[in-house]
This record gives sequence, C-alpha cells and structure tokens, in this order.
Amino acid sequence: KNEVEQSPQNLTAQEGEFITINCSYSVGISALHWLQQHPGGGIVSLFMLSSGKKKHGRLIATINIQEKHSSLHITASHPRDSAVYICAVRSSFGNEKLTFGTGTRLTIIP
Amino acid sequence: NAGVMQNPRHLVRRRGQEARLRCSPMKGHSHVYWYRQLPEEGLKFMVYLQKENIIDESGMPKERFSAEFPKEGPSILRIQQVVRGDSAAYFCASSPQAQGGNTIYFGEGSWLTVV
Repeated sequence: KNEVEQSPQNLTAQEGEFITINCSYSVGISALHWLQQHPGGGIVSLFMLSSGKKKHGRLIATINIQEKHSSLHITASHPRDSAVYICAVRSSFGNEKLTFGTGTRLTIIP
Repeated sequence: NAGVMQNPRHLVRRRGQEARLRCSPMKGHSHVYWYRQLPEEGLKFMVYLQKENIIDESGMPKERFSAEFPKEGPSILRIQQVVRGDSAAYFCASSPQAQGGNTIYFGEGSWLTVV
C-alpha cells in the first residue's frame, strides 16, 4: 500500500461543476502539499497545509490531521483547470523529502 | 524574481552517453531537491542538497547518478552511461531554507529521452 493514496485517479466533469479530489496518507506528517501539473508542463504548488483550511480563488484545500485525510475542491470548474493534481506529504520525522500520490487527472469539458 | 530555472528542457541521449541537467534555484534559496517522474508513474524523491553539501541522497540510484550544488553556479544532476530506463522527467525544486514551514517551488522540468 502506498503511503499516499489519491482518489479518484481520473475525473471528467462538465464546466461549472464542483470538483473534489481526495488524498489519504498513512504516516505522520508535518505538511501536505497540493500540486498542479499540466500535460508536458511544470509543477505548480497550489497549497501547503499543516492544519485546517486554505482558500485561493476558486480553490479550497482542507486537511484533517486526525483522520490523515485532505481534500482539494474546485468551485465553478473551468476547462483551464484540466490538469493532473498531485498530493504530496512531508514526513514528521524530520527529513525533507516529499512523498507523492500518483495524481488525479482532471478533465473539464466545456 | 525569476522562478526555478531548469535546462535543458528536453534532452536526447544515446545509450551510454552522459546527461547533465542543470537547476538554478530561486534567488535567495539555498535548498535544492531533485525528483524524477517516470512515464505513467508518480514523482519520486532523488536527492536533497544545500550549498556544497548533499543532505539526503536516499532516493538516488547507487550507480551512474550523482548530484552537486556548488558554492557558485547551478545544481547539476549527472547521469553517466544512460540507459533507456533513465528516460523520464527530472524536476528540480527549491526552498529558502529547510522546507519546514516553507512552501516549495518547482522548475519546469527536464525531459530526458534515451534512444
């Protein structure tokens, strides 16, 4: 079992729909990142969370430390949101490396 | 303030050649991380460096791969005697200090194709 599991693996939705991507992890963490990667493109850090909730524009990220679970929400989805969304965690054991989920491929249809 | 700069963006090498990938961190960032993304797989940690020091290389293959971050100039990921299985996207990331409470900034990636 991977340390970081994401669901769903693939998600197709109509423009305007509310999107939720989930991330569960099995280790103690000090921080969780949500990343966005466009096809053939670089990686953009969307959020870094250690507790609670963060919002940026139409994106909202939440984390529940006790349940070892985080969600990324997109409101009023748009075709330009189509990308792979990756959850990554930093262990609480002091090392600096990130462990990544395998990503959720999101496609928004106009 | 330029972001994390990686070059080359795309590199084609024949089996047995050497590949050198460069990463210039964001200005003021002294911590560099290299990650590899194999085709249809997730990202995997390779190595964490500070200026002139390798802090954690637990994700680096034992042979043919090396990394450095000299006092002056970019960080270099070097792959000797490349094989087809080295074909992947290699991402560099930087942070101003140990990640701790800091976010991390990624480069655009270097896509290595071994033919």
